[in-house]
Amino acid sequence: GAVVSQHPSWVICKSGTSVKIECRSLDFQATTMFWYRQFPKQSLMLMATSNEGSKATYEQGVEKDKFLINHASLTLSTLTVTSAHPEDSSFYICSAPVSPTYTFGSGTRLTVV
Amino acid sequence: QKEVEQDPGPLSVPEGAIVSLNCTYSNSAFQYFMWYRQYSRKGPELLMYTYSSGNKEDGRFTAQVDKSSKYISLFIRDSQPSDSATYLCAMSQNSGGSNYKLTFGKGTLLTVNP
Repeated sequence: GAVVSQHPSWVICKSGTSVKIECRSLDFQATTMFWYRQFPKQSLMLMATSNEGSKATYEQGVEKDKFLINHASLTLSTLTVTSAHPEDSSFYICSAPVSPTYTFGSGTRLTVV
Repeated sequence: QKEVEQDPGPLSVPEGAIVSLNCTYSNSAFQYFMWYRQYSRKGPELLMYTYSSGNKEDGRFTAQVDKSSKYISLFIRDSQPSDSATYLCAMSQNSGGSNYKLTFGKGTLLTVNP
């Protein structure tokens, strides 16, 4: 089946630094990638939708300058958390539509200290 | 009113029990209904999907959709400790299209005790 490989699975960084999370579609072309954030014991919150070759669409309230999304190819989408702060600590998950459903990456646990 | 309502539980059952999980929704445009299982600190994995109303069975899992009542269910028969996870219902207006996002329930935390 279609697989989305997400890396890293966990990362710890210092406040003020930037962190890049990668999602690769391994055996299919992902023209679209959804990026989610999940807090403990809560559901997934859609942050943005990236489309290959065009600008990402951000959900209301998500800072586009803090969460930079790039979808440079049909198999790679990246999320960069810039100038990270402790409140950015969360679980980040990517997802690609694979008709008729959606497949998810394994998630990245980000801890900002 | 939220678009998708799901009782977050937690739900604790003995091994072998039948588990019933459900969600209600308000958007009548939803046509594709999915159930995902999420283990702690992992990404969601697809369990079942159903298009429009009806039932679908896969092994110990049965998904039901009643569009007239805007109500979907997931039944797990002969539950096992390995079924312990968070179960998320999700739905969309279209299948896999970039313009149609998934809307999730809050997730139900299930524990199956040996």
